[in-house]
Amino acid sequence: QLQLLESGPGLVKPSETLSLTCTVSGDSISKSGYYWGWIRQPPEKGLEWIASIYYTGTTFYNPSLRSRVTMSVDTSKNQFSLKLTSVTAADTALYFCVRHDHDNTGTNWFDPWGQGTLVTVSS
Amino acid sequence: QSVLTQPPSASGTPGQRVTISCSGSSSNIGRMYIYWYQQLPGTAPKLLIYKNNQRPSGVPDRFSGSKSGPSASLAISGLRSDDEADYYCAGWNDRWVFGGGTKLTVL
Repeated sequence: QLQLLESGPGLVKPSETLSLTCTVSGDSISKSGYYWGWIRQPPEKGLEWIASIYYTGTTFYNPSLRSRVTMSVDTSKNQFSLKLTSVTAADTALYFCVRHDHDNTGTNWFDPWGQGTLVTVSS
Repeated sequence: QSVLTQPPSASGTPGQRVTISCSGSSSNIGRMYIYWYQQLPGTAPKLLIYKNNQRPSGVPDRFSGSKSGPSASLAISGLRSDDEADYYCAGWNDRWVFGGGTKLTVL
């Protein structure tokens, strides 16, 4: 069964860089056709898609965060990562990693989700 | 401000049928598939409906999705206490977007 597990510091200082890793188990991150992504949820608020990546390194980003976000993939470790620079309190959120499941038309959606990891931005 | 608008709250009694709307415009919802996610308290969201009205395996047929023009809906029939959760619609509109979420209370 596919499982995703987020890891990284729970506390980041303002203006610094938030770095998270998602470890995939139960399947290969290099499996053809599957993108992998990050979604966040500020406390008591809704969901926001951040970015997604293919195992080849092809990425697509939310334009509202694009200038501060970098995603990367490490197929040897079956992991993908997120870096968010110049963080502020507004970046405090529960960060989820997800797989883009898809059908044979290429249409895709988020399934499954990791359990999420809370990142607080505070000095 | 999301392109997808949901009511912030909805409620129903056990056994009742409730619907949650997700509205936009013909220029966005009209040309996107809508997906629904259920977020039980303290847990990660879970896919409930994909491509407007398709149920993943394991999702009870009490849950159904529909879309017409600039609006989509999630219907839950035979409401149960463990359906109490936040429900989000989502779609691709040059980026992935989510509705603001609807908190469903089972009275």
